[in-house]
Amino acid sequence: AQTVTQSQPEMSVQEAETVTLSCTYDTSENNYYLFWYKQPPSRQMILVIRQEAYKQQNATENRFSVNFQKAAKSFSLKISDSQLGDTAMYFCAFMKLNEKLTFGTGTRLTIIP
Amino acid sequence: GAVVSQHPSRVICKSGTSVKIECRSLDFQATTMFWYRQFPKQSLMLMATSNEGSKATYEQGVEKDKFLINHASLTLSTLTVTSAHPEDSSFYICSASSQGTASSYNEQFFGPGTRLTVL
Repeated sequence: AQTVTQSQPEMSVQEAETVTLSCTYDTSENNYYLFWYKQPPSRQMILVIRQEAYKQQNATENRFSVNFQKAAKSFSLKISDSQLGDTAMYFCAFMKLNEKLTFGTGTRLTIIP
Repeated sequence: GAVVSQHPSRVICKSGTSVKIECRSLDFQATTMFWYRQFPKQSLMLMATSNEGSKATYEQGVEKDKFLINHASLTLSTLTVTSAHPEDSSFYICSASSQGTASSYNEQFFGPGTRLTVL
């Protein structure tokens, strides 16, 4: 079974600064997807970014980027120019092709004004 | 992105009663729907996966007779918590995805969740 580990239960950063959230995973699969989801206080799950394991290039979505290290099974999320609206729980997730999502335990991120 | 709704958003019921939660895909056909449970300050735990027209597949440790899942159409899945007890109080989230090819990724779109409180 796949496991996803987020070792930072809580983090805080000043507005406009950069913050990196860590995620490691364990799998014997070669073809899979990795995700970062955001869950704000409304509790609506929002997809932040997705990475296909077969792609060497790190995914980027505006202020959000990942550092995907396949050999190390590491998948960190970098948020640049952090904004107050980035305050949320962030979940790292793993999925084999079109199978179920496995979520990490989450990191509570607080952006300080 | 695609929209998934859940109804009700909040429900309070007495112990021993049954509660039904609906999950609808509003602008796409959802061949697969997922039901998650989330305890306060914890992660999402998958309860079951349902495919339209077939029986749901439950995760280990989830009582299928307690949590009845029906996926009768391509836009609607329901979760019924039978004989609810206070320990069933939780936040229930559904997600939906549409059929893709065997080699393509099918994004899961999440509903806004339902908070169940059993007194």
